[in-house]
Amino acid sequence: GAGVSQSPRYKVAKRGQDVALRCDPISGHVSLFWYQQALGQGPEFLTYFQNEAQLDKSGLPSDRFFAERPEGSVSTLKIQRTQQEDSAVYLCASSPGQGAVEAFFGQGTRLTVV
Amino acid sequence: AQSVTQLDSQVPVFEEAPVELRCNYSSSVSVYLFWYVQYPNQGLQLLLKYLSGSTLVKGINGFEAEFNKSQTSFHLRKPSVHISDTAEYFCAVTPMNRDDKIIFGKGTRLHILP
Repeated sequence: GAGVSQSPRYKVAKRGQDVALRCDPISGHVSLFWYQQALGQGPEFLTYFQNEAQLDKSGLPSDRFFAERPEGSVSTLKIQRTQQEDSAVYLCASSPGQGAVEAFFGQGTRLTVV
Repeated sequence: AQSVTQLDSQVPVFEEAPVELRCNYSSSVSVYLFWYVQYPNQGLQLLLKYLSGSTLVKGINGFEAEFNKSQTSFHLRKPSVHISDTAEYFCAVTPMNRDDKIIFGKGTRLHILP
């Protein structure tokens, strides 16, 4: 596709439910980033992949959060046993090289936990 | 580690008036600097970035920013705003010449008054 695609755009989950958020990066992009953006806040870094390798997961808030990119393309962010504080927009970005200098962002997935 | 401070959470300005959105950063290493814009229910769009060279950077939609190393600032300016500029603006940094993530400020909401 022409840009970074995220699905679903909106997700409502009941507290305790598991969710999976998908990111399709721009074709050929090496680096992929996940961010969490709470209402009225700036994006907060979650994790970074270079191809299939997860180079940095220091921003994942708890062991309920898990991300993967098994073939170095599509990535999935999984949240287990969702809690209300997980409600946020989850943004994905990809860049053609190493690092984030040329990053392009997707439109995000808005997760609401009820 | 890097951090970004956007001093104003909201800036109201009349249409066709000039505007400045302030950004200061802290870093122990040299950084690349960015401004992103986020329209309601949208992802992040790059306005401009400073990588090297001239400290005055011109971006899209008539915006420009000036890098001031001594003051560790990267303020965003536009000489005449339009109603369509209503959005959230984020200043961001990433370490220079390193394979790393982007760190964002908390954002400034630009509110255009008719």
